[in-house]
Amino acid sequence: NAGVTQTPKFRVLKTGQSMTLLCAQDMNHEYMYWYRQDPGMGLRLIHYSVGEGTTAKGEVPDGYNVSRLKKQNFLLGLESAAPSQTSVYFCASSLGLAGGPWTDTQYFGPGTRLTVL
Amino acid sequence: GENVEQHPSTLSVQEGDSAVIKCTYSDSASNYFPWYKQELGKGPQLIIDIRSNVGEKKDQRIAVTLNKTAKHFSLHITETQPEDSAVYFCAASFRGGSQGNLIFGKGTKLSVKP
Repeated sequence: NAGVTQTPKFRVLKTGQSMTLLCAQDMNHEYMYWYRQDPGMGLRLIHYSVGEGTTAKGEVPDGYNVSRLKKQNFLLGLESAAPSQTSVYFCASSLGLAGGPWTDTQYFGPGTRLTVL
Repeated sequence: GENVEQHPSTLSVQEGDSAVIKCTYSDSASNYFPWYKQELGKGPQLIIDIRSNVGEKKDQRIAVTLNKTAKHFSLHITETQPEDSAVYFCAASFRGGSQGNLIFGKGTKLSVKP
């Protein structure tokens, strides 16, 4: 099993450009998440999904959109990148227990380092 | 909003010593508390977790304790080794609202000196 994989590993954008980050998991997990990690800020949840075709907002959703068309994939989109979106982005997935995503063990991918100039 | 406070932000110990990292949480309904280790350039990896119906959990050199009344939990690493050097994050579950499901502390950078 590859676990959680993320594409690309690094990316540099100019202000106003758009891009999509791809997350894939091969563990048949129901829940998937996108976080951003900034120095001294820990991990902050951007969006999450509790199943194919569903998405929900997290703590810092503004400027991002997501889609979960297939169970194994979770896409994060930036329509018009801003320097404030310079960060390391992590995708995670979890099995999907009856108690909900807040009690589920999350498995993280290796991250995408994004710089917006 | 709900938050998780983590201390210290940096910790330096000699190889073989113990290390303790402490977290406090604000949501009394939180019932799941994982700890993650993040090595340089990698994603966080779960090392141990505890649920609210348990006061302590051990896994070899790592242990976590939970005090629900005081709303704090701690990570204990005994007989530290250089490969324990990393950033450690605590987290607490949070139900509902716009903050999603897990609230993370800001991390503790642990350095183990040989």
